[in-house]
Amino acid sequence: AQKITQTQPGMFVQEKEAVTLDCTYDTSDPSYGLFWYKQPSSGEMIFLIYQGSYDQQNATEGRYSLNFQKARKSANLVISASQLGDSAMYFCAMREGHSGAGSYQLTFGKGTKLSVIP
Amino acid sequence: KAGVTQTPRYLIKTRGQQVTLSCSPISGHRSVSWYQQTPGQGLQFLFEYFSETQRNKGNFPGRFSGRQFSNSRSEMNVSTLELGDSALYLCASSLVSGGANEQFFGPGTRLTVL
Repeated sequence: AQKITQTQPGMFVQEKEAVTLDCTYDTSDPSYGLFWYKQPSSGEMIFLIYQGSYDQQNATEGRYSLNFQKARKSANLVISASQLGDSAMYFCAMREGHSGAGSYQLTFGKGTKLSVIP
Repeated sequence: KAGVTQTPRYLIKTRGQQVTLSCSPISGHRSVSWYQQTPGQGLQFLFEYFSETQRNKGNFPGRFSGRQFSNSRSEMNVSTLELGDSALYLCASSLVSGGANEQFFGPGTRLTVL
């Protein structure tokens, strides 16, 4: 079974609108971290936001927020007020195990290509 | 602070050759991970090094190897190149101590095998 599932291969959003990118995950490890990365056409992976499995509140970073629903194993990324520069591939990823104790191996989803329309 | 650097940025090789890619992590970072990205398989973990020791390895054949030096710089080597090795190879560094949660990625090396 896939550990990270992103069901939306592509999404379109109007500039200045909000958009939600879906991510579900599968793990039996009680300690894990969930990440979202942005990859523009240049190829570099840009860290956006992180949510730990024990975090009580949803993570937020500027225009990015993570809708974390632990029971549903869901970690959707919400981008508010979309900008043209948000057009890129977005990847959800998971690291299992404690930070500093376990490996820093990330398992990535297939990604969602977001296109922002002016 | 300088980011993660990877050299070279682009590389063209022919089948059967070998290649070495280099990654310099962010200063102070001791963990370096390598990932392969292809259109078909997506992003796949290759291996992780910490303090010159391989901590974890992904499901890749033995043709893929790596090492880490005392200054935390890392190299990965692919021997006997195959067409399917054409990919973007991404390196990421992490600060293990202090509970940091992020992996910072470099710009990648795009390898084309002809």
